[in-house]
Amino acid sequence: EDQVTQSPEALRLQEGESSSLNCSYTVSGLRGLFWYRQDPGKGPEFLFTLYSAGEEKEKERLKATLTKKESFLHITAPKPEDSATYLCAVQGYTGTASKLTFGTGTRLQVTL
Amino acid sequence: ETGVTQSPTHLIKTRGQQVTLRCSSQSGHNTVSWYQQALGQGPQFIFQYYREEENGRGNFPPRFSGLQFPNYSSELNVNALELDDSALYLCASSFRQGVVGGEAFFGQGTRLTVV
Repeated sequence: EDQVTQSPEALRLQEGESSSLNCSYTVSGLRGLFWYRQDPGKGPEFLFTLYSAGEEKEKERLKATLTKKESFLHITAPKPEDSATYLCAVQGYTGTASKLTFGTGTRLQVTL
Repeated sequence: ETGVTQSPTHLIKTRGQQVTLRCSSQSGHNTVSWYQQALGQGPQFIFQYYREEENGRGNFPPRFSGLQFPNYSSELNVNALELDDSALYLCASSFRQGVVGGEAFFGQGTRLTVV
């Protein structure tokens, strides 16, 4: 069974204070690892897909990286508008195609 | 905007009742998945429809059922509602080519409260 563990559960940063969120996973063959951002009471917003170890993707202040066991979401010089819950999910080769297994997320709060 | 819309946005039902939630997928997407998200948890996979047929199910009982229509819309039906069914229900659409599933784009969700 696919499993995803995210840490920390919550993170409080000051504006401009860079940090990283961790996503550890176990999966029977990785089709893809996905990062989403979720604002309170809203649906998850797609950020990145990573397919193989060593791959990196960037978008504004966010950079996602992937190894064979974990992924990191690096946030550089965050702003208050980056405050949200960040969800990591994996899609494996066994079972239902397109099924995502999610972690419980990291709640990020960025203060002035 | 993801192009995925859900209705209604909020709903209050009584234990034992039945509910139907609706989703309009992004045009061209052949796969729709439904997820349940309890407060403070990550979304949990309920089931998936591919080309109008159920293609996989998570650990949810048969009282959770669904339909997918040719016009990219879909429904989630829940019978005999229980208090624990209170959650945010999310619809996600994607384009699947063969056995490879693509990125899933989510709607804004339906907040269901069972009293």
